[in-house]
Amino acid sequence: RKEVEQDPGPFNVPEGATVAFNCTYSNSASQSFFWYRQDCRKEPKLLMSVYSSGNEDGRFTAQLNRASQYISLLIRDSKLSDSATYLCVVTSGSARQLTFGSGTQLTVLP
Amino acid sequence: GEEVAQTPKHLVRGEGQKAKLYCAPIKGHSYVFWYQQVLKNEFKFLISFQNENVFDETGMPKERFSAKCLPNSPCSLEIQATKLEDSAVYFCASSRTGDSNQPQHFGDGTRLSIL
Repeated sequence: RKEVEQDPGPFNVPEGATVAFNCTYSNSASQSFFWYRQDCRKEPKLLMSVYSSGNEDGRFTAQLNRASQYISLLIRDSKLSDSATYLCVVTSGSARQLTFGSGTQLTVLP
Repeated sequence: GEEVAQTPKHLVRGEGQKAKLYCAPIKGHSYVFWYQQVLKNEFKFLISFQNENVFDETGMPKERFSAKCLPNSPCSLEIQATKLEDSAVYFCASSRTGDSNQPQHFGDGTRLSIL
């Protein structure tokens, strides 16, 4: 079993739609959680950190459920520019390296 | 600099040749990480440094791969006797501190093609 699991998609949604991505992690010692986005095999870029209380940044809302070891990302009012692969990322224990999910591909259609 | 700088952008080597990749972290960042991304978005952690010191090398293949971060020089990742399966994009990332909640900032990557 992979340490971080994501639905690979693809998700094809019309502009303006709301879309949600889910992610589960297997290591209960995981400490920090992030969503990164990656465009066309370019470098991953940090979208947002994910906190236990949940957090919002504009059209993006991230939630963390430590009991279920589950992370989510909600994108409201999708834009064409949101088309990318969304990577669920965790760090665990004393390790500082990032552990990546395999990514969820999103295409926003005009 | 303000960005993680990786060179070269593309590197083509024949099987069995050596490949050397470079990474300059963001100024003031003391941690450097190397990742390998092969097909289907699978990222693999290779090695991390705290300044010039290896912090974690649990992801490094035991043979052929080596890495350094020397003072006043870009960090480097070297692959000896390359194999076809070494073809991948190699990303370098840096973070200001080693706190696990510190986001890592990635360079553009080096695309290595082994022929």
